[in-house]
Amino acid sequence: AQTVTQSQPEMSVQEAETVTLSCTYDTSESDYYLFWYKQPPSRQMILVIRQEAYKQQNATENRFSVNFQKAAKSFSLKISDSQLGDAAMYFCAYKGGATNKLIFGTGTLLAVQP
Amino acid sequence: DTAVSQTPKYLVTQMGNDKSIKCEQNLGHDTMYWYKQDSKKFLKIMFSYNNKELIINETVPNRFSPKSPDKAHLNLHINSLELGDSAVYFCASSPGLAGGTYEQYFGPGTRLTVT
Repeated sequence: AQTVTQSQPEMSVQEAETVTLSCTYDTSESDYYLFWYKQPPSRQMILVIRQEAYKQQNATENRFSVNFQKAAKSFSLKISDSQLGDAAMYFCAYKGGATNKLIFGTGTLLAVQP
Repeated sequence: DTAVSQTPKYLVTQMGNDKSIKCEQNLGHDTMYWYKQDSKKFLKIMFSYNNKELIINETVPNRFSPKSPDKAHLNLHINSLELGDSAVYFCASSPGLAGGTYEQYFGPGTRLTVT
């Protein structure tokens, strides 16, 4: 069975600094997709970034980028120039190629200090 | 316009009662989901429907019964509520059945409290 592990329950970053959230996963599938979702205090789940496993190039969305290491089964999220609005719970999620079922990690609560 | 809406947003009820949570999406998506987020914020899929057909049914007590009257609606009915059912329930939808980086669009969640 596939699993997703986020080893950092909480992280803190100063405004305008850079922070990296870790995620590892376990799978025997060759076709899969990885996501980072953000859940602010409003509890709305918001997609931050996605990565196809078959793509070697790391995905980037403005200040958010990933470091996808397929062999190591690692998918970390880097947030550059952190802003107060980035404070939220961040979830890493896995989806196999033959299903739409999202498997989530336990989340990392990110605090942004002014 | 709200893409995925859920009603109610908050639900407080007593043990043993039966309650329903409604979900509607106006995105034209074929696939809808129910997820449960427990008190430790852990999110787990419960059910998925594609065009009114059940395609994912995780290990969920049979007191939980999803119903999809049409592909834009997926309701969750819970019988004989227990304290452990207290959680936030999220509805979501996506355009595809499987494969692809189809984004799942989440509703605002329904916080269910069983007393």
